[in-house]
Amino acid sequence: EAQVTQNPRYLITVTGKKLTVTCSQNMNHEYMSWYRQDPGLGLRQIYYSMNVEVTDKGDVPEGYKVSRKEKRNFPLILESPSPNQTSLYFCASRETELSNQPQHFGDGTRLSIL
Amino acid sequence: AQSVTQPDIHITVSEGASLELRCNYSYGATPYLFWYVQSPGQGLQLLLKYFSGDTLVQGIKGFEAEFKRSQSSFNLRKPSVHWSDAAEYFCAVKLVRGSTLGRLYFGRGTQLTVWP
Repeated sequence: EAQVTQNPRYLITVTGKKLTVTCSQNMNHEYMSWYRQDPGLGLRQIYYSMNVEVTDKGDVPEGYKVSRKEKRNFPLILESPSPNQTSLYFCASRETELSNQPQHFGDGTRLSIL
Repeated sequence: AQSVTQPDIHITVSEGASLELRCNYSYGATPYLFWYVQSPGQGLQLLLKYFSGDTLVQGIKGFEAEFKRSQSSFNLRKPSVHWSDAAEYFCAVKLVRGSTLGRLYFGRGTQLTVWP
């Protein structure tokens, strides 16, 4: 089954404690991205990757890092989380940057930073 | 500035009533257009998409959307709403040219409440 898998689904942690949210897709997609969803703001892109070792900033990259060492994985790293990063996070993938096919979304990761 | 606007933050309808959710975009060229639905605690599910051709597109769950180039709109409609349609709906666009071809731009969402 084609899917995008995020882990963990829920996490409560404290300010400053580094955390990583993993994202994996099994569709051999080149394009992957991370979004955060906040009430009244919709989804905003954090980072995206057009292929292995190619990443770029989205609209709200501050406080986040990503890496794309393998095609299937695109982890989101919060080196020093702060309460304003409390949010619902979605990973998504698409076949390629140019593809007109819709993105596949993961089920989301709800992060609470205390 | 490029943007996707969903002017209605919250809409309430009675079950069985018709529904129209509005979406407008501001881009130089016609983008690819999508509607997603998010039920409480769930991820995003694609309802329908428009790339080209027939401006009235059919989606899942009885939804349809009409692309109107002159109005830069892509409104979502359903003739008769069911209680299970209560969710948040997002309009999204993907550019067809430019330096950010891969990105999806989302509207802020419209929360739909359905009264029994």
